[in-house]
Amino acid sequence: DTGVSQNPRHKITKRGQNVTFRCDPISEHNRLYWYRQTLGQGPEFLTYFQNEAQLEKSRLLSDRFSAERPKGSFSTLEIQRTEQGDSAMYLCASSPSRGGENYGYTFGSGTRLTVV
Amino acid sequence: AQSVTQLGSHVSVSEGALVLLRCNYSSSVPPYLFWYVQYPNQGLQLLLKYTSAATLVKGINGFEAEFKKSETSFHLTKPSAHMSDAAEYFCAVSEGAGNNRKLIWGLGTSLAVNP
Repeated sequence: DTGVSQNPRHKITKRGQNVTFRCDPISEHNRLYWYRQTLGQGPEFLTYFQNEAQLEKSRLLSDRFSAERPKGSFSTLEIQRTEQGDSAMYLCASSPSRGGENYGYTFGSGTRLTVV
Repeated sequence: AQSVTQLGSHVSVSEGALVLLRCNYSSSVPPYLFWYVQYPNQGLQLLLKYTSAATLVKGINGFEAEFKKSETSFHLTKPSAHMSDAAEYFCAVSEGAGNNRKLIWGLGTSLAVNP
């Protein structure tokens, strides 16, 4: 297992375009989290899945954001009608079902989005 | 709600010197606490965690942290800094109950190591 994989590593898009990111968690982890990190800040929680069920969404996740995990394995995060304020690093993490508090989450390398 | 405060957004030490990165938390319940390191353009790597066992926690790369309930602190230390320790360090507390926990993060401390 190569850990949590995120694609693409970098994405530059024009304002108003839609973008989609993918996260492949560690195979035996059934929890998957999405965080957003802007420069000089700590990560901000966006949403989390237990298997295919999306159990919590942050108020930061506006209607333009949608996340899916259709088969309980990989997840996608889509941003519609991107805005310059969406520019950030989008981080994915996974953990076993007992919860990250016991094991610590495993993070991917992130997708850096730049909206121009 | 729980919160995390990291004192000092930038810390600079000489190679071989003691590293001390400060973290204070607020929590109404016994917390789970974490330190993560982030190298440029990389994701976050877990350094160590406190989960209500031993108050002195040893992590990777020679780092350790001590949970002090009376001071609501979880400071990160390393006896001798190495150039490769230069990175961003984040303290985090686990919020929520049961199976619905997520991490609340500090703003991070950038560590510079001078030769």
